[in-house]
Amino acid sequence: EAGVAQSPRYKIIEKRQSVAFWCNPISGHATLYWYQQILGQGPKLLIQFQNNGVVDDSQLPKDRFSAERLKGVDSTLKIQPAKLEDSAVYLCASSLLVGTSYEQYFGPGTRLTVT
Amino acid sequence: KQEVTQIPAALSVPEGENLVLNCSFTDSAIYNLQWFRQDPGKGLTSLLLIQSSQREQTSGRLNASLDKSSGRSTLYIAASQPGDSATYLCMPNSYGKLTFGQGTILTVHP
Repeated sequence: EAGVAQSPRYKIIEKRQSVAFWCNPISGHATLYWYQQILGQGPKLLIQFQNNGVVDDSQLPKDRFSAERLKGVDSTLKIQPAKLEDSAVYLCASSLLVGTSYEQYFGPGTRLTVT
Repeated sequence: KQEVTQIPAALSVPEGENLVLNCSFTDSAIYNLQWFRQDPGKGLTSLLLIQSSQREQTSGRLNASLDKSSGRSTLYIAASQPGDSATYLCMPNSYGKLTFGQGTILTVHP
């Protein structure tokens, strides 16, 4: 089966610009996650969707970050305006269901550099 | 709030050694715990998933144990190989709250 797809793989922008990341989960996976991983740290959950509804966005900086999952499949994560501290790898993951026993599968990530 | 600690932060060993990586977590009310490996510049690859009702899970040279009551999990790697070099991360799933440790950076040299 195809894995989690993400694009772009790399992005370099200047501070105050906007950027968007795209994720396509594994077919049939109802739950989709976006994580931020700063160099040298473990991933931090930003937002979690079940189908097209938000389950948890408590750690999403809502003044600049937004995410949507239209039709319960693909998802986009947007940053506007970007700050230097947003430089990180943005990982998308999916699983069959939320809050249960199912494994998470990760995409390759998007490496964002803000200059 | 779940807090996850992984020890050691880094480990460098010669090929062939048996290894122990430790993960401790503060909230023992978890559904499961997942171990991942991450190669430089890549995403995370799932290694093992232990359900809260299980004590152990094995896959090839990897064995993960879980002591939920004490908030600990251990990943054993037998007969380590240079290809095992990566960062290893644990993630307890505490009823929908997903928290990663900082990881253990493993280097296995020939």
